[in-house]
Amino acid sequence: EVQLVQSGPEVKKPGESLRLSCKASGYRFATYWIGWVRQMPGKGLEWMGVIYPGDSDTRYSPSFEGQVSISADKSITTVFLQWSSLKASDTAIYYCARQNIEGPTWGAFDIWGQGTLVTVSS
Amino acid sequence: DVQLTQSPSFLSAYVGDRVAITCRASQGIRSYLAWYQQRPGKAPKLLIYNAATLQSGVPSRFSGSGSGTEFTLTISSLQPEDFATYYCQQIDSPNTFGQGTKLEI
Repeated sequence: EVQLVQSGPEVKKPGESLRLSCKASGYRFATYWIGWVRQMPGKGLEWMGVIYPGDSDTRYSPSFEGQVSISADKSITTVFLQWSSLKASDTAIYYCARQNIEGPTWGAFDIWGQGTLVTVSS
Repeated sequence: DVQLTQSPSFLSAYVGDRVAITCRASQGIRSYLAWYQQRPGKAPKLLIYNAATLQSGVPSRFSGSGSGTEFTLTISSLQPEDFATYYCQQIDSPNTFGQGTKLEI
């Protein structure tokens, strides 16, 4: 079964660092883009960026460039989303999702993780 | 960046109704558009990609059309489980989502 399993909920203080994980299984990890999507409380979906694990090619939305870092570890078929200094406005649910086309071509997100709630509060 | 505008933002309907949601792009995106359904507390679910291709396992009452700058998601006969929020997404670099359409009774 193709699936993405995300790490558990996090409660952090402003200024702290954080790394979320997204463990992929059931398919060839290196050959599908995986991305991250933010959903702030009561709001819509925001595309943050994607990574192609095969060569670690990474693309970011201008809104998130420099604010977060996306990486991948092929040895453990896991993608990460990382912050060096959290803000209260980072409070949201974060989803990882796999694109539906194999290879370095853009596609829609057909497989989604269950989401990780991140709460940043002093 | 390409901006997507969905209309309406809210839609009231009844079981059995036929409804349509529109997504307009700020510039032409050919057929690089997808539609998702999100139920409360759940991850989004892919319904349509390439503007009109039905994702495997999605009921045939869902259909997509359009190209260039105007796209439509149509649900031919609403079922109780269809009351949810729907998003369009343009599949270009960088991707963006529309603001969402909440479909309610």
